[in-house]
Amino acid sequence: GENVEQHPSTLSVQEGDSAVIKCTYSDSASNYFPWYKQELGKGPQLIIDIRSNVGEKKDQRIAVTLNKTAKHFSLHITETQPEDSAVYFCAASRNPRGGYQKVTFGIGTKLQVIP
Amino acid sequence: GAGVSQSPSNKVTEKGKDVELRCDPISGHTALYWYRQSLGQGLEFLIYFQGNSAPDKSGLPSDRFSAERTGGSVSTLTIQRTQQEDSAVYLCASSTGTGAPGANVLTFGAGSRLTVL
Repeated sequence: GENVEQHPSTLSVQEGDSAVIKCTYSDSASNYFPWYKQELGKGPQLIIDIRSNVGEKKDQRIAVTLNKTAKHFSLHITETQPEDSAVYFCAASRNPRGGYQKVTFGIGTKLQVIP
Repeated sequence: GAGVSQSPSNKVTEKGKDVELRCDPISGHTALYWYRQSLGQGLEFLIYFQGNSAPDKSGLPSDRFSAERTGGSVSTLTIQRTQQEDSAVYLCASSTGTGAPGANVLTFGAGSRLTVL
């Protein structure tokens, strides 16, 4: 089955600096890579995703990059703000047409943005 | 409802007792997942339901764990003879289901925090 590794497990940055979280996956058939943000006391929420036919995707201060050859993908947050403090999870899954897809998550990264 | 609803939000039980955790997915979502979140362990897949298909139970850690989904909507996760290592947050998520737009996007509930004394 799929195995997703994520690092670092904790990350502290000064407000305004950038934060980078990296993940690797094992199943070359995986083609969908979402990122979820979990705030304290809440369930994870999708913040951005990328499919295997795209190398990079950006949404305001958040960007994801994907290297299918190396089987790794990364989340980049620029100009960090205190409200970015949360646990971030990467994930991988297949997206077969009409088929079951199981989402495998990384262990999570606790990001702390220091004002 | 507007979101995924889980109950109870907190449950404290004694070792050896049975517990039931409930998940009410978004109306119309045919796919439902249960995950377990333990400290330092990330999100551990437990079970997946998709419409009327046989569920994928491959993530259930032991035969003390079971889940059902009645009428394609509400799901109940049951843990029998609870052990201290069962203490965790149990998260439920739903999605639109196989082949539908947004099928990959999981909407999570806030979770049920289980503490086994």
